[in-house]
Amino acid sequence: GAGVSQSPSNKVTEKGKDVELRCDPISGHTALYWYRQSLGQGLEFLIYFQGNSAPDKSGLPSDRFSAERTGGSVSTLTIQRTQQEDSAVYLCASSNWGRGSSSYEQYFGPGTRLTVT
Amino acid sequence: ELKVEQNPLFLSMQEGKNYTIYCNYSTTSDRLYWYRQDPGKSLESLFVLLSNGAVKQEGRLMASLDTKARLSTLHITAAVHDLSATYFCAVDMGGAQKLVFGQGTRLTINP
Repeated sequence: GAGVSQSPSNKVTEKGKDVELRCDPISGHTALYWYRQSLGQGLEFLIYFQGNSAPDKSGLPSDRFSAERTGGSVSTLTIQRTQQEDSAVYLCASSNWGRGSSSYEQYFGPGTRLTVT
Repeated sequence: ELKVEQNPLFLSMQEGKNYTIYCNYSTTSDRLYWYRQDPGKSLESLFVLLSNGAVKQEGRLMASLDTKARLSTLHITAAVHDLSATYFCAVDMGGAQKLVFGQGTRLTINP
């Protein structure tokens, strides 16, 4: 079936603007994760959704970052008042973990490359 | 705080040779992941190791896990050019599959 999809693939924005990044997980996957990949910090966990439970926001770097997941499926990561240090590739992943599943595979989307000018 | 360290960070090798990438982590975890990333691409899952002593093999790649030593290895046998990529290990932070990644090992295999 279809894998994890993300849009847009590239986003260039001016410093101070807000951006929204979208993730469509694999159908039926209950767990959804956002990560960030940057030259300086490597790959970092940002936020985790499991079903309809409250998200685990422990990796969000500042209160300018937020995310929601509607209907247990599509997720949007929002960055307000973007800064140059927000420039990175934002990766979304999904898995079937947590619903009595024995699968621990976590599948990554192609990412959104964000450039803040 | 869980830390994951890979070494080497850069590896250039000749086709046909064998080599090992090491992944050390700082706190107890029973799940370790290996991913491959090609330039400009996303992460491709290679192995998920779920218990002490686990060993998995796919083609020329073999991964193992020693939870007591907090060490995983990715062994490459008779390397071929197509294996050139960056390899990441990642450890499950706290059981919810929130992954903490190593720095990555950039592997270049020369003909």
